[in-house]
Amino acid sequence: DVKVTQSSRYLVKRTGEKVFLECVQDMDHENMFWYRQDPGLGLRLIYFSYDVKMKEKGDIPEGYSVSREKKERFSLILESASTNQTSMYLCASSPFGTGLNEQFFGPGTRLTVL
Amino acid sequence: RKEVEQDPGPFNVPEGATVAFNCTYSNSASQSFFWYRQDCRKEPKLLMSVYSSGNEDGRFTAQLNRASQYISLLIRDSKLSDSATYLCVVNRMDSSYKLIFGSGTRLLVRP
Repeated sequence: DVKVTQSSRYLVKRTGEKVFLECVQDMDHENMFWYRQDPGLGLRLIYFSYDVKMKEKGDIPEGYSVSREKKERFSLILESASTNQTSMYLCASSPFGTGLNEQFFGPGTRLTVL
Repeated sequence: RKEVEQDPGPFNVPEGATVAFNCTYSNSASQSFFWYRQDCRKEPKLLMSVYSSGNEDGRFTAQLNRASQYISLLIRDSKLSDSATYLCVVNRMDSSYKLIFGSGTRLLVRP
């Protein structure tokens, strides 16, 4: 059974703190993604990685960075958390290839920045 | 204009009803299309892919109209358990394995 796990379901942080969100997948997938989901805006891609140590900016990378040191793990870092980064963060993975690959999502981390 | 647009709903229907959602996309060169389902406070999960010839999976039928650039999802004989948000998803042209998600259509099925 495919599985994507995220380190926390709920997180509360203060403005200016450095925040780490961890994602682990056990499917040996090459591709991993970080999204944020906000009401009315859908899922927006923050960063994407197609291989270890490789990363690509998504639509809204400002204020975020990522790390992929191992194939199964993809971390999202908020360098200095701000209130407008309060959101649901979803990690996903998919196998390498073109077109029709399903993305498998983790349960999400609801982050509140005070 | 959003790349993928959906009516947010909610669509409120009785059990047993047939309900249809449409979704429009802006990039005529898009190649891959999907419907994902997201239950309240849960992660999105793939419901079905949408092929040019259309496809059916039990009570669910997906259609693609390339000329008008829209995708539809038809649910027959609605069940209470169909209550969820349905996300229309299209692949990006700059990368076939990156996806664009619509903001979703909410369905409520009442007894």
